[in-house]
Amino acid sequence: AQKITQTQPGMFVQEKEAVTLDCTYDTSDQSYGLFWYKQPSSGEMIFLIYQGSYDEQNATEGRYSLNFQKARKSTNLVISASQLGDSAMYFCASNSGYSTLTFGKGTMLLVSP
Amino acid sequence: DAMVIQNPRYQVTQFGKPVTLSCSQTLNHNVMYWYQQKSSQAPKLLFHYYDKDFNNEADTPDNFQSRRPNTSFCFLDIRSPGLGDAAMYLCATSRDRTTNEKLFFGSGTQLSVL
Repeated sequence: AQKITQTQPGMFVQEKEAVTLDCTYDTSDQSYGLFWYKQPSSGEMIFLIYQGSYDEQNATEGRYSLNFQKARKSTNLVISASQLGDSAMYFCASNSGYSTLTFGKGTMLLVSP
Repeated sequence: DAMVIQNPRYQVTQFGKPVTLSCSQTLNHNVMYWYQQKSSQAPKLLFHYYDKDFNNEADTPDNFQSRRPNTSFCFLDIRSPGLGDAAMYLCATSRDRTTNEKLFFGSGTQLSVL
């Protein structure tokens, strides 16, 4: 079974600064997927970025990038040039084989002007 | 736009009174999921359908049931809601269950139990 650990309950960042949200995972599978979702106060889960276990390069999507360290089993999300609209809950998640997506407990990000 | 739609956005029910939450999708995805998310917690998978094949999580209470009459619709039935069932219920879809398939979520239904 997958286990996802997000050790930061909350993070603060100033507008236009970069922020890193931590995530570690625990799996014995060789093939797995790693996902980050954003959940604003409205409740909808919004997909941000994906990293496959066999991907050699770190994933990037606009202002979002992953610092994927396979040996350490970590996949930290980096948000560059933070915006006020980035304030939300951020969830790291993983699946493997035909197992369904397992989520971490999330990190609440607050962006201040 | 293709999407996952959940109705209603807010649902209030009485203790012990059966309630049904609905989800529809225009993505034509094979897999539909129901997650329960309590305040400040991670979403917890209740069950999912792979096409017509129902897959229940081992720790999902018997009080929770689901129906998928066709590809587009999926329902969550709570037979006798308790106070502990108050939560956000999220419906999600994916094309398949392989590791690179992202989930598309609806906006959720916030259930209150009085």
